[in-house]
Amino acid sequence: GAGVSQSPRYKVAKRGQDVALRCDPISGHVSLFWYQQALGQGPEFLTYFQNEAQLDKSGLPSDRFFAERPEGSVSTLKIQRTQQEDSAVYLCASSHLSVPSQETQYFGPGTRLLVL
Amino acid sequence: GENVEQHPSTLSVQEGDSAVIKCTYSDSASNYFPWYKQELGKGPQLIIDIRSNVGEKKDQRIAVTLNKTAKHFSLHITETQPEDSAVYFCAAIWPFGNEKLTFGTGTRLTIIP
Repeated sequence: GAGVSQSPRYKVAKRGQDVALRCDPISGHVSLFWYQQALGQGPEFLTYFQNEAQLDKSGLPSDRFFAERPEGSVSTLKIQRTQQEDSAVYLCASSHLSVPSQETQYFGPGTRLLVL
Repeated sequence: GENVEQHPSTLSVQEGDSAVIKCTYSDSASNYFPWYKQELGKGPQLIIDIRSNVGEKKDQRIAVTLNKTAKHFSLHITETQPEDSAVYFCAAIWPFGNEKLTFGTGTRLTIIP
């Protein structure tokens, strides 16, 4: 079926505003990841879900960042009280198996967030 | 955890020539090494991957080699074409604790027509 989709593709927020970024993984994929990619850098891990369980959130930069995947499919990354340093591309990836080291991670197109 | 270093940061090659990008990783337990191509405004796209029980893998013009002893792996693109111009990222997965990809810093490859 279709690949990983993300929305919105672009988001401009005023400093202090809350934002919500959505990820639709490939249907049936068990594992879902969020990564943050600063300009000119490689993606950096934020958090990992296996179905609806958030197994690792060690990459979330502060308690203003929150992610959920309540029904084990669509995921939302929420950033509260956005700061300028939050400006980046937020990438979502999914993989079929529950052990992603044995399976490819497929990336969505990303949401480009600009905080003014 | 894992740390991945990637070189060079930029690479320009004449169309038809070969391009080589190299990465090193820090943890010998890492067992999966994908390469991603990222075009402007798009998400990373997997182009080839290799697992730790394999030394080399080829897919048409693209090949990856892995040296577990030295903890480095390389991407080789032969007969380069203008559409190969993009940013390339290597990555590694360290299998203990979580399943995240740790990425290198990227190589901007430019193919000169």
